[in-house]
Amino acid sequence: GEDVEQSLFLSVREGDSSVINCTYTDSSSTYLYWYKQEPGAGLQLLTYIFSNMDMKQDQRLTVLLNKKDKHLSLRIADTQTGDSAIYFCAEKDNAGNMLTFGGGTRLMVKP
Amino acid sequence: DTEVTQTPKHLVMGMTNKKSLKCEQHMGHRAMYWYKQKAKKPPELMFVYSYEKLSINESVPSRFSPECPNSSLLNLHLHALQPEDSALYLCASSQDFGGAMYFGPGTRLLVL
Repeated sequence: GEDVEQSLFLSVREGDSSVINCTYTDSSSTYLYWYKQEPGAGLQLLTYIFSNMDMKQDQRLTVLLNKKDKHLSLRIADTQTGDSAIYFCAEKDNAGNMLTFGGGTRLMVKP
Repeated sequence: DTEVTQTPKHLVMGMTNKKSLKCEQHMGHRAMYWYKQKAKKPPELMFVYSYEKLSINESVPSRFSPECPNSSLLNLHLHALQPEDSALYLCASSQDFGGAMYFGPGTRLLVL
């Protein structure tokens, strides 16, 4: 079955850039997503990229997709303390029915 | 408007109780989903509704019963739950199977 993997933890200083990485196995993925989850809250859709794109930029967020290596990354520029949260990457399969999540990366931003 | 709303926000119930979780979206989305999330874990898919018909049931026990009364509403009826069912229950919707999926804030359920 599909598998999506992320590193568990990332710590950065306020003002630095953060890069959260994700790898997936399903070559038929159509959409890849990044969600943010703060403690006790639901999942906030940050951005998503269609599989025929290499890059997508949205204000402080840059998503890079290397389809050959099945590698997805999320770069947060000028990271702020409010960015501290768990970040989930997820991929949607070709049938479009299911979202497979990675285990989540906990981002800690130190002042 | 990309909002999915869920009620109640918190729910405490005994193992003999019957309760319902409610989800609503007004984005015209035709696919709606129930996910279950345990602490420090990613969400796990429970049910998928497409055009108000149940299209996926991920082997969920029958003590969870979904219902889609119309294209904007999704319910999850709970009966005879177990303490291990305590979790955050998330509702989501998408335009169809190809678009972005938006999540609600969740209902935090505690089963005593």
